[in-house]
Amino acid sequence: KQEVTQIPAALSVPEGENLVLNCSFTDSAIYNLQWFRQDPGKGLTSLLLIQSSQREQTSGRLNASLDKSSGRSTLYIAASQPGDSATYLCAVGATMNTGFQKLVFGTGTRLLVSP
Amino acid sequence: DTEVTQTPKHLVMGMTNKKSLKCEQHMGHRAMYWYKQKAKKPPELMFVYSYEKLSINESVPSRFSPECPNSSLLNLHLHALQPEDSALYLCASSQVPGHLPRNTIYFGEGSWLTVV
Repeated sequence: KQEVTQIPAALSVPEGENLVLNCSFTDSAIYNLQWFRQDPGKGLTSLLLIQSSQREQTSGRLNASLDKSSGRSTLYIAASQPGDSATYLCAVGATMNTGFQKLVFGTGTRLLVSP
Repeated sequence: DTEVTQTPKHLVMGMTNKKSLKCEQHMGHRAMYWYKQKAKKPPELMFVYSYEKLSINESVPSRFSPECPNSSLLNLHLHALQPEDSALYLCASSQVPGHLPRNTIYFGEGSWLTVV
């Protein structure tokens, strides 16, 4: 059974710092890996999607890497801003026997960026 | 338009009530999903619909009854729920397997359900 863990569970940093969020998964047979952002009381916003054949993806100040063999992904946030404060969820996509993709989510990292 | 729209945003219902959650997308996606997220927990898959047919039921109790009346709409009918069913219910959509673009899943804002 796929298990996804995120470290740290919570992180508090001053504005402007570069930071790294970690995600690890137990089964390397994944289809892809996605990073989501969730603001309090809100749904999920997809940030980056890395296919299993890719090593990294970048979008603006965000960079996500994937190392399937070691079961790890990192989300790097450059020059953090108070607006980055949210919970960040890592989700691995596993193909089910029906061909559909099931997302297995990590436990999340709650990020607080102080002005 | 990359939106998945869910209504209502908040719902309070008694244990004997019957209510429904609604989800709509106009991205031409033929796969639609219901996820459940308890407070401070990650989302968990409940149901998957493909081409308006139920493809996956993750052992969800029968008091939750999904319905896909057409390719744009997904409903979740609720009956005789328990207080422990209180959670955020998230709808999502994507292309079906084998279609491009691959795998991008779009989530709605969710419906907050409180069972009293």
